[in-house]
Formats: sequence, structure tokens, C-alpha cells
Amino acid sequence: QVQLVQSGSELKKPGASVKVSCKASGYTFTSYAMNWVRQAPGQGLEWMGWINTNTGNPTYAQGFTGRFVFSLDTSVSTAYLQISSLKAEDTAVYYCARSSSSGAFDIWGQGTMVTVSS
Amino acid sequence: QSALTQPASVSGSPGQSITISCTGTSSDVGGYNYVSWYQQHPGKAPKLMIYEVSNRPSGVSNRFSGSKSGNTASLTISGLQAEDEADYYCSSYTSSSTPWVFGGGTKLTVL
Repeated sequence: QVQLVQSGSELKKPGASVKVSCKASGYTFTSYAMNWVRQAPGQGLEWMGWINTNTGNPTYAQGFTGRFVFSLDTSVSTAYLQISSLKAEDTAVYYCARSSSSGAFDIWGQGTMVTVSS
Repeated sequence: QSALTQPASVSGSPGQSITISCTGTSSDVGGYNYVSWYQQHPGKAPKLMIYEVSNRPSGVSNRFSGSKSGNTASLTISGLQAEDEADYYCSSYTSSSTPWVFGGGTKLTVL
């Protein structure tokens, strides 16, 4: 079946980096864009941006430039989110989500909890 | 502050109908038919319930319906069931520099 499976929870110290993976299966990876969505503890959903899985071209939402990098490995149908210079306020669940042709996020990963604490 | 405004909470009794609003501007909700709705149970990933204002993905109950009037989109759930208790988020395409935005979310309580 169509699914996105993300990597497991991470505990990092401030200033470190983290790389979250999102492996797609059940569909042609390069036929759909991949989005990243953040959800801080007890808060709502926040769209971080998306990556064109054909060209690898990323688009970042305001507030997610500089320390956030989207990348791909199409040979293994996997998208990545890397966050550098981690801060306590980066503590959140990060979701990958596929865009349908209408732009709606029709398939979601299970989420990856990233905790930043000294 | 979210770009789209939703009520923080709504409630209803089993069998009743409720409506959740999502208010934006002519640059997002009012300008495009790319409004979608998501259901999120605690500790779970969001699930697409409505796309392009009023379309239901395969497998979503027909108790869920969407509509739009002007700059406000709405999600209506009829025949409320206990399993509908969850957080609901709207999302819209926008002409701003951030092309997709979410509402702040609405907590639905089934009494």
C-alpha cells in the first residue's frame, strides 16, 4: 500500500544537527512532491516547505530558511530533512507528507519526534 | 499567529451535526479552491478528510462534507460519533510567499 515511513525519534543537544528520513513505497516517488510539516508540542501544524522530487528543487516557507535543508535520494525513494544548529525551539514532531495533484497532503508519514535538550 | 482562523473548540452530542469554520482572505481561501481539511487524533499523524473545498478522498465517510463562501471555508460533520473526537485543521493555497498555510486547529469534543 501507499505509505511513508519516517525514521525514529531523536534526542539532540543544542547546536547539533539532525537528519530525518522519509521512505516512500507503493507509488512512483518522483510523481508527487514531498512536503515537510512541523508540529511543536501542543501546537498546530506548520508548513515548512516542499521539494520537487523530479528536479530536487526545494522551496522553504518563511522561517525555515538557512538551518533547514530538504534533500532526496530517488534511488531509494527517500526524502530527507536536515536541521543544523539545533535550538530548543526546534523541539517538535516533523512530518513528511505527499502532495496530491490538487496540492492537498494526501499521505503522511507517522512523524518523527525531535527533542533538543542539554 | 496562523494565517487561517479557526475556532479553538467546538462540541456536539452523538448524532448531531457540527460545523467548523476556517476564515482567510481573498489571497487564500477566497481566491482559490484549494482548501483541504485534516483530522488528527492524539499522537497520530493528520489524515486528509476533504480536498479542493468539497471533495472526499476514497474511504472517508460521507458524514464529512466541505463548502466555501467568500473567504470562509467550512467542514460539516453530520451524525457525530465518538470516534470523530479529534483536532481538525484547514489548509489553503495562498498567493503569499508561503504558498500553503494551515489554520490554528479546532478541537472537537463529542459530549
